[in-house]
Amino acid sequence: GAGVSQSPRYKVAKRGQDVALRCDPISGHVSLFWYQQALGQGPEFLTYFQNEAQLDKSGLPSDRFFAERPEGSVSTLKIQRTQQEDSAVYLCASSLGQGETGELFFGEGSRLTVL
Amino acid sequence: AQTVTQSQPEMSVQEAETVTLSCTYDTSENNYYLFWYKQPPSRQMILVIRQEAYKQQNATENRFSVNFQKAAKSFSLKISDSQLGDTAMYFCASRRPMKTSYDKVIFGPGTSLSVIP
Repeated sequence: GAGVSQSPRYKVAKRGQDVALRCDPISGHVSLFWYQQALGQGPEFLTYFQNEAQLDKSGLPSDRFFAERPEGSVSTLKIQRTQQEDSAVYLCASSLGQGETGELFFGEGSRLTVL
Repeated sequence: AQTVTQSQPEMSVQEAETVTLSCTYDTSENNYYLFWYKQPPSRQMILVIRQEAYKQQNATENRFSVNFQKAAKSFSLKISDSQLGDTAMYFCASRRPMKTSYDKVIFGPGTSLSVIP
């Protein structure tokens, strides 16, 4: 499809399990962002990629969170040893890059529930 | 540091009426982008309207318009002729210029808008 695709849409994990969330951005988009959105809250910035380079990871809440985008396209957000407070919707967004309109295009999100 | 504040957690409006959602922000940049995004119950975020800070003219998109006050760092959204499909969470967001290698988009906490038939 032409939009940002995220998988899985829903993930239930037992506390302590590792999870991996995938984001497939719009083809050709240079910038990729991950956000964490708790119920009823605004998206909280996690990390930012420009192509394969992770230029900002200041929003990652702990060293259990890791993101990568090895070929500058698909990105994976990995959460190790999940805890209940990790339960949230994880949003991925992409944008064209330098000299563009500034709009972010969002995926539908991956809803993570940690039991 | 970038911050975005939305002081109205919930609002309601009668169908066909006009409603204004408030947003204030803080940034040290002189040029930046401001956005209003809509998130319906299905959760996919979509862009409503955008404003470039160096442009003085307020942006408009059909029934949606903004009141951009740069000195006051205020960016409110006006929805005219409200429709039932406008019911959603609305997020204000700011973005630093893309010509730097550093990019960050910060969102406010959101305003839940209900349009009443």
